[in-house]
Amino acid sequence: AQTVTQSQPEMSVQEAETVTLSCTYDTSESDYYLFWYKQPPSRQMILVIRQEAYKQQNATENRFSVNFQKAAKSFSLKISDSQLGDAAMYFCAYRSLHASGGSYIPTFGRGTSLIVHP
Amino acid sequence: GAGVSQSPRYKVAKRGQDVALRCDPISGHVSLFWYQQALGQGPEFLTYFQNEAQLDKSGLPSDRFFAERPEGSVSTLKIQRTQQEDSAVYLCASSLERRLAGGSGTGELFFGEGSRLTVL
Repeated sequence: AQTVTQSQPEMSVQEAETVTLSCTYDTSESDYYLFWYKQPPSRQMILVIRQEAYKQQNATENRFSVNFQKAAKSFSLKISDSQLGDAAMYFCAYRSLHASGGSYIPTFGRGTSLIVHP
Repeated sequence: GAGVSQSPRYKVAKRGQDVALRCDPISGHVSLFWYQQALGQGPEFLTYFQNEAQLDKSGLPSDRFFAERPEGSVSTLKIQRTQQEDSAVYLCASSLERRLAGGSGTGELFFGEGSRLTVL
């Protein structure tokens, strides 16, 4: 089964600065999606950014960008110009493109709690 | 509706009671997932539906847990004889089918706000 590892239980950043959240995963597949989701306290989980494994170009969404290293099975999230509203739990997730097998079920890491200091 | 809707948002049950948690996915979403999220942890998979078919229930922790989606839209997660260890947030998510499965989706899951279950 695929595993997703987030080795940083908690990260802190000053407002307006940049922070990078780490994620590694284990898979034998070549076609898959990777996601970063944000979960504010007591609020629903929302998608931050998505990367398709066949695309070499790193995904970017405004202040959020990823560093996707397929060979190293690494997928880090960079948040630039951090804002107070970025404070939340961030979850890295993996999902296979193939319908067969359990890897079709999205697998999540344990999360990183991001604290933003004013 | 516009998003995934879950009810109730909060449920307090006495140990031994049965509970039912409802999920109304985004209209047209074929896939529906239930996850369990303990405090400070990531979502853990419980079960998966494609339309009305329950294709994977390998994550259900015991036979006290049961899920259904009889008409391929609304789903209910039922927990019988609740125990304290069942206390968690239960998340429902839906998605379009992915491209390689013949659909137009991008693999993204859309989550509801969750149902927080507390068993006393």
